[in-house]
Amino acid sequence: DTAVSQTPKYLVTQMGNDKSIKCEQNLGHDTMYWYKQDSKKFLKIMFSYNNKELIINETVPNRFSPKSPDKAHLNLHINSLELGDSAVYFCASSQGVYRLNTEAFFGQGTRLTVV
Amino acid sequence: KQEVTQIPAALSVPEGENLVLNCSFTDSAIYNLQWFRQDPGKGLTSLLLIQSSQREQTSGRLNASLDKSSGRSTLYIAASQPGDSATYLCAAPNSGGYQKVTFGTGTKLQVIP
Repeated sequence: DTAVSQTPKYLVTQMGNDKSIKCEQNLGHDTMYWYKQDSKKFLKIMFSYNNKELIINETVPNRFSPKSPDKAHLNLHINSLELGDSAVYFCASSQGVYRLNTEAFFGQGTRLTVV
Repeated sequence: KQEVTQIPAALSVPEGENLVLNCSFTDSAIYNLQWFRQDPGKGLTSLLLIQSSQREQTSGRLNASLDKSSGRSTLYIAASQPGDSATYLCAAPNSGGYQKVTFGTGTKLQVIP
């Protein structure tokens, strides 16, 4: 039973298209994240939501828009895709900051290729 | 702002050796530190989570230590096996406010049979 699941696993699309990546967690966590892993394997946070509220918004182009319909879901919508958006995108969740036992769990990643 | 560095970037060892992976972080006011494993083309698997009040955490052949005062954590792997080959990442949260986790650049480990 997957804890953090992302769909799709692979996504190939043309420049200029709009696409979405979905993420769901069944851990009952109240905080979810989107990370981008670039070609050098460096993981960088993009967004974080706590109880459907945006709490972290790094310097990310506004073509990227996260949406959290409920605290178990955090979707990532990308408009006008560019070649540089090609990367692996990871969704993660944790129980937030107010408990010491805050362990982050990650999805399997979505490999986005923009051609 | 938290910065996390891992040394070495890559490591190749013969099977059976014990090895140590290093992680340094700049902001020592952390709640915890987490070690992950990433296999090629796959997601991240959590290995160990060390609370700020702990100095060590063990799981099987893995032992992670945390020294907040010096801003360092180590991951010790005993009796390495080819199946341990992967990239190992440490992640430390930023202090204050909501949790924001900063990852290190990773150590790519290859265990040679």
